[in-house]
Amino acid sequence: QTVVTQEPSFSVSPGGTVTLTCGLSSGSVSTSYYPSWYQQTPGQAPRTLIYSTNTRSSGVPDRFSGSILGNKAALTITGAQADDESDYYCVLFMGTDSWVFGGGTKLTVL
Amino acid sequence: EVQLVESGGGLVQPGGSLRLSCVASGFTFSTYSMNWVRQAPGKGLEWVSYINGGSGSIYYADSVKGRFTISRDNAKNSLYLQMNSLRDEDTAVYYCARLGQWPNKFDYWGQGSLVTVSS
Repeated sequence: QTVVTQEPSFSVSPGGTVTLTCGLSSGSVSTSYYPSWYQQTPGQAPRTLIYSTNTRSSGVPDRFSGSILGNKAALTITGAQADDESDYYCVLFMGTDSWVFGGGTKLTVL
Repeated sequence: EVQLVESGGGLVQPGGSLRLSCVASGFTFSTYSMNWVRQAPGKGLEWVSYINGGSGSIYYADSVKGRFTISRDNAKNSLYLQMNSLRDEDTAVYYCARLGQWPNKFDYWGQGSLVTVSS
């Protein structure tokens, strides 16, 4: 069974830069998995940040960026702000008929 | 404005059934693929099921295959999830989500409907 891995938690200082990653329990993440990223605050529905590895969704600030770093997908937040404190989820398309979400990263800005 | 509104959640006993609905507005429903994604209390997101615009392609996560059935009625702008043989581990908030671009842009989400499976 495919497991998509994310850091359980991360901390960043206001104004700082943080990179969250999305990997596979077995193998490497490539653009062929079409990684996408979602932001969720407690009690709210997820919000689309990045899709197709590095395309920002409409209205998403350019301080959010996506990429492939080594064998993982990555979400980088440059100039972190207090309201970036959220849970972040990646999801990978498994090539035919399924999607798998990572376990999520809880980002703290302090 | 795109809106997705789920309904039909509630408390059900293990082994029971429930049907969720999602009514869409603000876009041409029949031209978009739709999904159900769930989130157990305090846990992460889990993709559950997919259906394309014409209902010709339907996929399920292994965890629900054989128990859940996704369907849609384009005339009513509605998406459904029939859930049978429910288990404790199916307890979650169920979101309907539009697939804005194949294969990976879940671009609009409803606010969710809570399903609690408990005796």
